[in-house]
Amino acid sequence: NAGVTQTPKFQVLKTGQSMTLQCAQDMNHEYMSWYRQDPGMGLRLIHYSVGAGITDQGEVPNGYNVSRSTTEDFPLRLLSAAPSQTSVYFCASSSGLAGEQYFGPGTRLTVT
Amino acid sequence: AQTVTQSQPEMSVQEAETVTLSCTYDTSENNYYLFWYKQPPSRQMILVIRQEAYKQQNATENRFSVNFQKAAKSFSLKISDSQLGDTAMYFCAFMKGNTGTASKLTFGTGTRLQVML
Repeated sequence: NAGVTQTPKFQVLKTGQSMTLQCAQDMNHEYMSWYRQDPGMGLRLIHYSVGAGITDQGEVPNGYNVSRSTTEDFPLRLLSAAPSQTSVYFCASSSGLAGEQYFGPGTRLTVT
Repeated sequence: AQTVTQSQPEMSVQEAETVTLSCTYDTSENNYYLFWYKQPPSRQMILVIRQEAYKQQNATENRFSVNFQKAAKSFSLKISDSQLGDTAMYFCAFMKGNTGTASKLTFGTGTRLQVML
């Protein structure tokens, strides 16, 4: 199993550009999440999903969109990048309450 | 809303010694889970230990153990026989015990631990 994979590993965007961060898992997990990590602030939940076709907002959803058309994939879309979205982004998946959350390797995004 | 507080931004410990990292949390829930995650310089998030709130017994995983005080809402991590590979950022995290929240973790701000020779 590859576990949770994220692409790209690094990305530089200009203000106003859009892009999609990819996340995929091969463990057949129902639950998936996106977090951002900023210095001194820990990880904060952006969006999450409890199954294909079901998504909801987390703590910091503004400026981001998600969809979950398959169990395996959970892409995160930045519609119009802003410098405040410079961060490290982590995708995670789990099988449920009793299951461990598996994190991807992260994507470092810089918006200039 | 839940909050998780880690009041020690940085700590250091000598190799082979014991260190305790503090975590407090605030919640009105009775059913929840608590976690400690390790993030080494590689950036990978690694689960260290998990505690179910309904279990009175403190969780242990080899050299890692917790002191879970539910009434005080305290969840500290003890690392025994510290090793150089324990050098990392450590995050305390909270999750409600409902199926619909199984993918929603609330993290503290982290404690950077340096293990020294």
